[in-house]
Amino acid sequence: SQTIHQWPATLVQPVGSPLSLECTVEGTSNPNLYWYRQAAGRGLQLLFYSVGIGQISSEVPQNLSASRPQDRQFILSSKKLLLSDSGFYLCAWSPLREGTDTQYFGPGTRLTVL
Amino acid sequence: EDQVTQSPEALRLQEGESSSLNCSYTVSGLRGLFWYRQDPGKGPEFLFTLYSAGEEKEKERLKATLTKKESFLHITAPKPEDSATYLCAATMTTDSWGKFQFGAGTQVVVTP
Repeated sequence: SQTIHQWPATLVQPVGSPLSLECTVEGTSNPNLYWYRQAAGRGLQLLFYSVGIGQISSEVPQNLSASRPQDRQFILSSKKLLLSDSGFYLCAWSPLREGTDTQYFGPGTRLTVL
Repeated sequence: EDQVTQSPEALRLQEGESSSLNCSYTVSGLRGLFWYRQDPGKGPEFLFTLYSAGEEKEKERLKATLTKKESFLHITAPKPEDSATYLCAATMTTDSWGKFQFGAGTQVVVTP
C-alpha cells in the first residue's frame, strides 16, 4: 500500500530564516505530487505541482520554491521566511493514470513564523 | 470563474440527528467531485469520488450524491466520532493533470 510522509511535523522559525519541508511517497512510482497551504479556517491553496522529476509548476507567485530531486521526493523551500508564510503545509500525491484524479494527503507540517 | 462553495460553514448536530452538507460548483466542465474528511491538525482523508450526475456512493453513515450543479454529503444518525471538517473539491476537464478547486469546508460537531 502507498504511504506519504512529511517532516517535520511542526516548525517554529524566525522571520528571514530559510525553510525546507520534505515529502516522500512510498509504494508507488511516478506519482503526481502537490504542495498546498491551509490558513486557519480556510480552504486549501495549491502552491506547486509536479508531474515528474525536475518538472515543477507554480500556481501562486511568492517567496517559496519547490524541487523534485527524486521520483518520490518533493521539497518545499524558502530562502527568507515572511510572517505570512505561517500555516499548515500539506503534501499530496496522485496516481499518474487515466480515469483517476484522486489526491491522497500527508499528515502535514504546522509552520509558525515569528 | 471556476468556483466551489460549501454550506453551511458550521453545523452542530445531536447524536443520531441526520443532516446534509452542500457543495455547489460552477466550473467550465466537471471531471470529478471529491469529498474529504479533515480532523484538527491532520491531513485530509479521502472519502469519495463522484464523476457523473446521479452517481451515489456510501461509506458507513456517509452518503455522497452528485447533480449537475451540486453535491450533497448526507450524514445518517451521526456519532461523535463523525465530528470533523468536511471538504469538497472539483476537477475540471480543461485541466489535464487534475487540478483541485477546493471549497472552504463545513465544520461538523456531533454532541452526545
